[in-house]
Amino acid sequence: SYVVTQPPSVSVAPGKTASITCGGNNIGSKSVHWYQQKPGQAPVAVIYSDDNRPSGIPERFSGSNSGNTATLTISRVEAGDEADYYCQVWDSSSDQGVFGGGTKLTVL
Amino acid sequence: QVQLVQSGAEVKMPGASVKVSCKTSGYTFTHSAIHWVRQAPGQGLEWMGWIIPGNGKTRYSENFQDRITFIRDTSASTVYMELSSLRSEDTAVYYCARGFYIAAAATNWFDYWGQGTLVTVSS
Repeated sequence: SYVVTQPPSVSVAPGKTASITCGGNNIGSKSVHWYQQKPGQAPVAVIYSDDNRPSGIPERFSGSNSGNTATLTISRVEAGDEADYYCQVWDSSSDQGVFGGGTKLTVL
Repeated sequence: QVQLVQSGAEVKMPGASVKVSCKTSGYTFTHSAIHWVRQAPGQGLEWMGWIIPGNGKTRYSENFQDRITFIRDTSASTVYMELSSLRSEDTAVYYCARGFYIAAAATNWFDYWGQGTLVTVSS
């Protein structure tokens, strides 16, 4: 089955830009979705289909996807962005959902 | 507004079964698949499968193929997930999530989530 890989952790200073990657074989040919999960809470979608923001998600959140890497970018990072972030794709060959292992974003 | 409300926490013995409910509201129940995702303590998200409430069709992750069952009650706009032969590794928070299918990209993402149900398997 398809595998997607994320770095375990990313650190960023407030006001700076954070980039979280999601790697997979030719992932650029798939649609990548991103979720934010804060402790004790359910995940919330922040990006769908590579670069689309659901209603209510700040413009500071953006996404891109090309080749073997998809990227979630958070601009002007705030303390409230500290959370775990998961990428997700749909493996159409097996008709199953696939999540990355998650990346813990720490705001210094 | 769209809501998915799950049943409360459960404690089960190894070998037992558990049934978690996910009651939906705020949209047409039969129009969207419901997916189940679990998260073991301190671990990441794991997709378990989906059910299409409109026709009852299901698809299970190969990791749970012979232990999991999804059913729906259209009169109550509710989906149920039953996991059998529980073992300690099944201790996790179980989430239901509404699937948003994008045909042009042959993809699903999850736009609304339940609050999660903690299932603890312990003797």
